[in-house]
Amino acid sequence: ETGVTQTPRHLVMGMTNKKSLKCEQHLGHNAMYWYKQSAKKPLELMFVYNFKEQTENNSVPSRFSPECPNSSHLFLHLHTLQPEDSALYLCASSQFEGVNEQFFGPGTRLTVL
Amino acid sequence: GESVGLHLPTLSVQEGDNSIINCAYSNSASDYFIWYKQESGKGPQFIIDIRSNMDKRQGQRVTVLLNKTVKHLSLQIAATQPGDSAVYFCAENRSGTSGTYKYIFGTGTRLKVLA
Repeated sequence: ETGVTQTPRHLVMGMTNKKSLKCEQHLGHNAMYWYKQSAKKPLELMFVYNFKEQTENNSVPSRFSPECPNSSHLFLHLHTLQPEDSALYLCASSQFEGVNEQFFGPGTRLTVL
Repeated sequence: GESVGLHLPTLSVQEGDNSIINCAYSNSASDYFIWYKQESGKGPQFIIDIRSNMDKRQGQRVTVLLNKTVKHLSLQIAATQPGDSAVYFCAENRSGTSGTYKYIFGTGTRLKVLA
């Protein structure tokens, strides 16, 4: 619908597991973003990539590792997460970083047991 | 500290009435603002934006008002419909840690449209 797809839509993992979230945008945008959305809290920016280069790491713990192989794809690698990391993880893209409208994917609902 | 917030966490409106959702921001340097709508099970969807050199902008059934004097933003929805039921976020654009811009979102207001 928005041109931004995310897989999987739902993920349940144990604290010792390693998993990856995938985001793909079909809009020809050059900037991509990872956000965390927890209940009753504002959207929290995690990472920003502009032309495949990381330009923002918003003090995210190292158990979250982003990867941007090209302008259309963005991954979030997860390792030894904590139950408090359970949240909706949203990917977004925009034409360029910053001032333009961001298009969001549907998110991945992550549950850490 | 600096923040973007919403006055009302939940707003219930009769179908056909107008809705007003409010937002306060604290950084006078912010120069771009967006309203997003998030329906259940979906990501946020752009509704309307406004730049700081404007105080009003209209879209289809929606109007955003910006009052820079009191750092206040509002979203007005005319003739509210059941499909308008969702959570609405405001966001401001301000310079980030690396000198680039990043968005700061409010906590959201849930709009419930009553039949």
